[in-house]
Parts: sequence; C-alpha cells; structure tokens
Amino acid sequence: KQEVTQIPAALSVPEGENLVLNCSFTDSAIYNLQWFRQDPGKGLTSLLLIQSSQREQTSGRLNASLDKSSGRSTLYIAASQPGDSATYLCAVRGWDTGNQFYFGTGTSLTVIP
Amino acid sequence: GAVVSQHPSRVICKSGTSVKIECRSLDFQATTMFWYRQFPKKSLMLMATSNEGSKATYEQGVEKDKFLINHASLTLSTLTVTSAHPEDSSFYICSASLAGVTDTQYFGPGTRLTVL
Repeated sequence: KQEVTQIPAALSVPEGENLVLNCSFTDSAIYNLQWFRQDPGKGLTSLLLIQSSQREQTSGRLNASLDKSSGRSTLYIAASQPGDSATYLCAVRGWDTGNQFYFGTGTSLTVIP
Repeated sequence: GAVVSQHPSRVICKSGTSVKIECRSLDFQATTMFWYRQFPKKSLMLMATSNEGSKATYEQGVEKDKFLINHASLTLSTLTVTSAHPEDSSFYICSASLAGVTDTQYFGPGTRLTVL
C-alpha cells in the first residue's frame, strides 16, 4: 500500500523567506501527484498537479517538482507571505487505484510578519 | 471551475443519533465521489469510494453498517453516520471527479461533526 510522508511536520519562517516542503512516497508507480492547501477547519484547495511524465509545475510563487524514481516531490514557495500560512498536503494517485488519492501527513506552515 | 458543496458545514448531535452529510457537485456530473475523514492534526484518511448507482467500496477497517454511503445521482452522495458515538467526532470531507475526466478531484469544504 502506498505510504506518503511529509517533512517537516511544522515549519515557521519569517515573511519574505523562500522555503521548501518535502513529500516522499513508497511506491514510485504513480499516475500523478497533487499539492493541496488546507486552511484551519476548511476543505482542500488544489495548488499544483504533476503528471507522472512531468518533472515540475509552476504557478505564481509556487513550484512543485517530482522525482518518481526516488519517490520524492518538493513544493517550493518563493518570497513567503503571512497569507501562505496553512497546512500543505501532498497526495499521490496510483495507476491501479482508480481515482483514489493517498494523502501525506501534511506540513503546517506559519509565516511570521 | 468545478464546485463541490457539503451540508451541513457543522453539526452537533447526541450520542446514539444518526447524522446525514450531503456532498453535491454543483456544476458538473460526478460519476465517482470519495469520502475522507480527518482527525485533528492528521492527514485525510479515505473511508470509501462511491460510484453513482452502485454500492460504495469501503476501505479496510471502515464499518459499512456504521457509515452508510449512498450515491443516488450524478450530483449527490450522502454519508450517514449511524448511532453516532463521541469517537465518531471528526472532520469529514468529500471529493468528486468529473465524469470521464479522472485526473482531478474537487474537494468539498468539509463537515465538522461533534458527537456529545
């Protein structure tokens, strides 16, 4: 069964810093990987989707990379802002699991003004 | 964009009662809907996969008789927590996939269930 781990579990940075969130998965045979943002008590907002054939995706200040062979993905946030404070979740989808996502444990990010 | 709603957003009930949570795809048809449970400061745990017109597929360890899932139409799936107990208190989130487009799931805003 796919297991997804995120490091660190929590991160606190001053505003303006660049930061990297890490996601690792045990089964490299994935269909795609998605990064989500979750605000306290709220649902999930999709940030970036990387197909298995892709190496990275970018949206604004966010850049996500994927290295299937090593079972890793990173989410890079440039010039962090207090509004970026949230929990970030990565999720992977396998080829043989239909639409099922396996979610990581999440990284709680706090950007200090 | 595709929008998924959940109702209610928050519910408090007494132990032993049943609670129904609705998940709706507002502007698209969803052949598949998923129900997740999230414990405080934990990740999402998939409970079951619901396909329109057929029985839901439950993940190992999830009690079918306790968490009843119905997907009667392409825009609505319901999760009923039967004979709720305090340990069922959690944040429940649904997601839906566009019919024929399986790359993306759209997530609902979640329902906070508190069982007294």
